[in-house]
Amino acid sequence: DAKTTQPNSMESNEEEPVHLPCNHSTISGTDYIHWYRQLPSQGPEYVIHGLTSNVNNRMASLAIAEDRKSSTLILHRATLRDAAVYYCILRDSGVGGYSTLTFGKGTMLLVSP
Amino acid sequence: GAGVSQSPSNKVTEKGKDVELRCDPISGHTALYWYRQSLGQGLEFLIYFQGNSAPDKSGLPSDRFSAERTGGSVSTLTIQRTQQEDSAVYLCASSSRGTVLYEQYFGPGTRLTVT
Repeated sequence: DAKTTQPNSMESNEEEPVHLPCNHSTISGTDYIHWYRQLPSQGPEYVIHGLTSNVNNRMASLAIAEDRKSSTLILHRATLRDAAVYYCILRDSGVGGYSTLTFGKGTMLLVSP
Repeated sequence: GAGVSQSPSNKVTEKGKDVELRCDPISGHTALYWYRQSLGQGLEFLIYFQGNSAPDKSGLPSDRFSAERTGGSVSTLTIQRTQQEDSAVYLCASSSRGTVLYEQYFGPGTRLTVT
């Protein structure tokens, strides 16, 4: 699987936007960009995914660079509940018809009131 | 609806004993995954089921680890002759299909402590 690079940690204030970066310079044409997050003492949960175009859902937005070598997860208004480890994961759509998740170290997001 | 459930939530066992960890996936989900999360290794993939068959067992760390899935539903992860390095949180996830377009739903995990 192609590798991703994320900052170890980031800090934000409540109700401010948060931009979580991810570099994936070796991404292939069949790799989808997925984001999961893990709240303290819980299993990971899906946030969003995309291939080439920017994506929005109720949780977040995903901005993908034109060359696809980087992406940014955007939380529009951080809440205390958004404090978690955020994982940027590449999933290959072209291998064996299935795809598991390969987790890196992720970014720990700290949110202050 | 009900999410992925796992039991027990916590398990303490003595070194050398066998343990069984159970996962109940979301009803109708054909794909099921086991991962484990330990302090030194982060979150790592163990095994993938599609229905009752396991096309990918590449993450199982040794032959002491095995898993089965019956009826396309419940899965059991068995660790024989447990060692202290097996201590970790074991997470189960399920998805509608195994392909990249389908998100994985994770259970709360089973915390295994080997003493």
